[in-house]
Amino acid sequence: DAGVIQSPRHEVTEMGQEVTLRCKPISGHNSLFWYRQTMMRGLELLIYFNNNVPIDDSGMPEDRFSAKMPNASFSTLKIQPSEPRDSAVYFCASSLSGTSGSLYEQYFGPGTRLTVT
Amino acid sequence: SQQGEEDPQALSIQEGENATMNCSYKTSINNLQWYRQNSGRGLVHLILIRSNEREKHSGRLRVTLDTSKKSSSLLITASRAADTASYFCATDAPPSGYALNFGKGTSLLVTP
Repeated sequence: DAGVIQSPRHEVTEMGQEVTLRCKPISGHNSLFWYRQTMMRGLELLIYFNNNVPIDDSGMPEDRFSAKMPNASFSTLKIQPSEPRDSAVYFCASSLSGTSGSLYEQYFGPGTRLTVT
Repeated sequence: SQQGEEDPQALSIQEGENATMNCSYKTSINNLQWYRQNSGRGLVHLILIRSNEREKHSGRLRVTLDTSKKSSSLLITASRAADTASYFCATDAPPSGYALNFGKGTSLLVTP
């Protein structure tokens, strides 16, 4: 298995531009998570999906952030418009969750390093 | 929101020594997991311990869980330079248990 795939690996953009991050979870996994990691705030959960349905988006910082999961093998995280404070490493992770929740480990992608100038 | 809190924030040891990292959390949990992150890479799952377990082993790793104290420890025995990384504990909590709350991690440096 190729693991969780994220693209792009690095993104440099100017303030005000739209940024789209992409994720392909591990085949067969039914849960998908988007995290943001910064030195100041550590690893923050932004949103998670179960069976392609958003379960909790309370971690999404602002309306500028949106995430979709149109099918079981693809998800996007979009920032529009981007701001310098959005600079961080964004991770996607997938997991196989049972009916009572996250009973198994999460598999992380390599991350997208976003720099907004 | 972050629930797990690792201690110490940074640890420096020599190869062959044991490394112990601690994690404290605030609310009841379903399970607790430990992850490793090498510089510039994604997190890698190391071990999962359920709330009804007290100790678990995996190779050179030993994890303990004390639910009465809401704490866990990760012991790496006979450390190697390749163990240099950041280590995170993560808890999932009832009722949904879907999401993991990560601490800020312990940065481990193992010198030859």
